[in-house]
Amino acid sequence: DTGVSQNPRHKITKRGQNVTFRCDPISEHNRLYWYRQTLGQGPEFLTYFQNEAQLEKSRLLSDRFSAERPKGSFSTLEIQRTEQGDSAMYLCASTSGGTLNIQYFGAGTRLSVL
Amino acid sequence: AQSVTQPDIHITVSEGASLELRCNYSYGATPYLFWYVQSPGQGLQLLLKYFSGDTLVQGIKGFEAEFKRSQSSFNLRKPSVHWSDAAEYFCAVGEGYGNKLVFGAGTILRVKS
Repeated sequence: DTGVSQNPRHKITKRGQNVTFRCDPISEHNRLYWYRQTLGQGPEFLTYFQNEAQLEKSRLLSDRFSAERPKGSFSTLEIQRTEQGDSAMYLCASTSGGTLNIQYFGAGTRLSVL
Repeated sequence: AQSVTQPDIHITVSEGASLELRCNYSYGATPYLFWYVQSPGQGLQLLLKYFSGDTLVQGIKGFEAEFKRSQSSFNLRKPSVHWSDAAEYFCAVGEGYGNKLVFGAGTILRVKS
């Protein structure tokens, strides 16, 4: 396994711009999760996919956020009209699912909104 | 809603000393419990997990944790801390069908020589 890969590692953008992050899970992992981590806090759940189906979204995921997982492989997280409050680390995790749901995390994408 | 509390924001221990990081959870059913470690600029690495069975679980890097249902606790321990253990530690509980993780706020461990 090559591990969970996230790109870019860092993104600096101006308020109001759109940004997109990519996550490549461990191959054959059918569940993929997105979390957001702000300074001094633990990660907070945003959404998850079982294959290509988005099964749950947190109320933290406002209308400006959208996530996709076409073909059940990689996933993208897009934030439209970024705000300074969106500045955070965005973490992706994947798992093979089942009862023993061990999630493997990527290194994250750090977003800074100026 | 399920929640995880890590009462200690920062802990400083001397190298070679023992360590205990506290974690309390709120969950109605039998919890799936995890400890993760995060070094600066890195993702989260799983240290250990508890699903069922023996309440004392062993993990990587010499860490262990004990599940105590009566106290709703899952404290992490290590008998002798190394300088490389300095990092942030997160306790988490798996919630719901999708087993999304609910994390505590983390404990930053500093190791002094």
